[in-house]
Amino acid sequence: QKEVEQDPGPLSVPEGAIVSLNCTYSNSAFQYFMWYRQYSRKGPELLMYTYSSGNKEDGRFTAQVDKSSKYISLFIRDSQPSDSATYLCAMSARDSWGKLQFGAGTQVVVTP
Amino acid sequence: EAGVTQFPSHSVIEKGQTVTLRCDPISGHDNLYWYRRVMGKEIKFLLHFVKESKQDESGMPNNRFLAERTGGTYSTLKVQPAELEDSGVYFCASWDRVYGYTFGSGTRLTVV
Repeated sequence: QKEVEQDPGPLSVPEGAIVSLNCTYSNSAFQYFMWYRQYSRKGPELLMYTYSSGNKEDGRFTAQVDKSSKYISLFIRDSQPSDSATYLCAMSARDSWGKLQFGAGTQVVVTP
Repeated sequence: EAGVTQFPSHSVIEKGQTVTLRCDPISGHDNLYWYRRVMGKEIKFLLHFVKESKQDESGMPNNRFLAERTGGTYSTLKVQPAELEDSGVYFCASWDRVYGYTFGSGTRLTVV
């Protein structure tokens, strides 16, 4: 079993819709949770960072962490065609905070 | 500030040959990481440098891979001899407290 599970998609939504992405994980030691966006032929770009449980909002993006369920989510409101990319969840434990464990990534396509 | 620079962007080599990938981190970033994504798999950690010292190399697949970081500045990752299963995208990232991880665009390695 993988430590981090993420549906690879593709997930196709119309412009303006809410995009809902999620990951589950098995390692209860994970404390740091991140969402990255990756465009084709580019490196991952940090979108959201959350420590432990809770919600965090930044503009159109909301990240949620539920440690009791080992489940994290990313919501993108008012999606735009420019949001079309691969979204990767990543997480790490306190004693190895720099060693990220990535999900496989979900490809998102926002159609005009 | 300039981002993380990796080169070459793409390399095609024959099985058994040697390839050296280079990463120039953001100036002043002591923490440098190498990750790899092979086809159909998630991005996986390879190793972590703090300045010129290897902090964690638990993700290095085998002794055909050698990473160095000269004087705590740029880093190289050498694969010798390359095998077919080494094909993938190799990412370098540097880290600081303000911006967290910054990834390079990656080197796409194809072994034929």
